[in-house]
Amino acid sequence: EIVLTQSPGTLSLSPGERATLSCRASQSVSSSHLAWYHHKHGQAPRLLIYGASSRATGIPDRFSGSGSGTDFTLTISRLEPEDFAVYYCQFYGNSPWTFGQGTKVEIK
Amino acid sequence: EVQLVESGGGLVQPGGSLRLSCAASGFAFSTYWMSWVRQAPGKGLEWVAKINPDGSEKDYVDSVKGRFTISRDNARNSLSLQMYSLRVEDTALYYCARQAGIHWGQGTLVTVSS
Repeated sequence: EIVLTQSPGTLSLSPGERATLSCRASQSVSSSHLAWYHHKHGQAPRLLIYGASSRATGIPDRFSGSGSGTDFTLTISRLEPEDFAVYYCQFYGNSPWTFGQGTKVEIK
Repeated sequence: EVQLVESGGGLVQPGGSLRLSCAASGFAFSTYWMSWVRQAPGKGLEWVAKINPDGSEKDYVDSVKGRFTISRDNARNSLSLQMYSLRVEDTALYYCARQAGIHWGQGTLVTVSS
């Protein structure tokens, strides 16, 4: 099973600042099978990035994904008010699919 | 517009059963893998089960194997999750998702408590 560890647990930033979120896999994974999601309480999760670096339909270009092997990064270039939420990385290759524990991006 | 609408959640006693449904629209349902993902109170997301387009391949997270069954009805654009021998730790908001998470429903709440 691929275990995904996200860091930091919480990121306290101001609107307009840059956010850098990390996702580390317990073993090397194909970049094709790494995704990032945005999740606000009471709402459905929203796919941001798939294949480690491809933006999903309708996702603004302030969101970018990078990485390979065991280390992946989600970067939000300039935080907008709607970006304050919890972010999850996900492995969706061979079963079991797994999620990281999440990084909360909160307003400082 | 893609829509996924879950139903069937509720309060059930430990050891009980429940069947969740997901009504899909706005895309070619019969051509996509579908999955169930849950979120326990105060916890993160956990993948539960997945099923291939024709229903011949299914897989589950270890903690639900032998207790949950995923199925689909492509004629009705419907996905189901039959849950047996429910445990307190199965309490969660259950989401239906297209493939691994391209689109999600709003979720249906399952509470297992005596």
